[in-house]
Parts: sequence; C-alpha cells; structure tokens
Amino acid sequence: DAKTTQPNSMESNEEEPVHLPCNHSTISGTDYIHWYRQLPSQGPEYVIHGLTSNVNNRMASLAIAEDRKSSTLILHRATLRDAAVYYCILRDSGYALNFGKGTSLLVTP
Amino acid sequence: EAGVAQSPRYKIIEKRQSVAFWCNPISGHATLYWYQQILGQGPKLLIQFQNNGVVDDSQLPKDRFSAERLKGVDSTLKIQPAKLEDSAVYLCASSLDSILAGGPRANVLTFGAGSRLTVL
Repeated sequence: DAKTTQPNSMESNEEEPVHLPCNHSTISGTDYIHWYRQLPSQGPEYVIHGLTSNVNNRMASLAIAEDRKSSTLILHRATLRDAAVYYCILRDSGYALNFGKGTSLLVTP
Repeated sequence: EAGVAQSPRYKIIEKRQSVAFWCNPISGHATLYWYQQILGQGPKLLIQFQNNGVVDDSQLPKDRFSAERLKGVDSTLKIQPAKLEDSAVYLCASSLDSILAGGPRANVLTFGAGSRLTVL
C-alpha cells in the first residue's frame, strides 16, 4: 500500500499558482519524497524530489515540512498542459516506487 | 537522448491467448522496471531488474506472467494465458543508478509510453 495521502482531485485556474499537498506521517529518515505526474495517455513523468530541504527546478518547487510528515508540490503558474494526475511517492525499503492513486489536477481557462 | 521505447502500443487478444511486450530502456540505465496500470489506478510494480538480475518480482503473478532481461539491456514481458483482468497498460521504466547503491538519483525513473492490452 502507498504510504502517502493525497486529495483525489483539485482544480485551478490557468496562470494561477497551484499547491498540491501530500501527507506522509510514517516517513522514515532515509525516505526521499518524489513527485511524478501522468498526462492523459502517457507514462508517468518525473517532476521533482527532495529529502529535507525545499527544492526548485524548472518544472516546480517542493516544500517539505520541518518534521517531514508532509510536503507540497508548487506549480507557480498553472497552464492547461499541467492538467494531469500528480503522484507523491516515498522510496521504501523494498527498493520499489509504489504509486498510489494520486491527485487529478484540472486546470480551467 | 532517446527515451524508453515500448512495443506494441496496442494489443487486443482473446482470453487464454498469449502476448509479449518489448522494452528498450535508455542506454546505460542499469535498472529496468515493468509496471501494470489498470484504468483509474496508479501503476503497480510487477518486476524490477538490476542489469539482468531480478531485484523484486514479489507482485508478479508467476503462474501466467514471465519477464526476462537478456544481456542487461532489452526486456520482454509475457502473459500466458491471458485473463480478462489482465487488461491494462503495461509500462516500462528505467533508471540510471542502481537502487541497491542508494543515493538521490537512484529512483529517478524515465517511463515509456506504455503498451495497452485489451483481453476479450
């Protein structure tokens, strides 16, 4: 079973920032927090990952709570192309990346 | 760089028939994964290879599914005989570093577009 909890769906207006939350209260000290997204009819795509500190890349920012029990993926300006299912995943001790159901993001013009 | 290649993109078969999917990972990627994604669900890991050895196949239904990665490069996933509940998208992914070696880059996966299987 996935070790993260995400809302089933979220909605955003185009060009507005989007904050996608993820709870992972049982995270271990060596678990990295990864985010992937899956556009319709495509395979998942890596977005960003981090351990303790906040991370930025060209796609998004990742804000990690001080106790690491939650994190937030931030899309600074949502576009219609960002409509996808976003998965928050912890790397577990069994070496597998286990996907949950993710958050379906709807972006409206 | 070229991405992860998969074929065929679509396959329709009758139940009890067999089917095979092929994956060519990114050049130099040591780890290869096969995932099954049923409609409306997240991908589920079926098997993970490190070079040509199996790291994890605990969720592979071994009575009907088999996979191999000869020479540590290409991989095939076979289903024989297929059941209705095998209808899904089969995703192949690869990663550069060995998960067994740890490190932050080990779990950055690149996925192929997937092979959609319909079992009638």
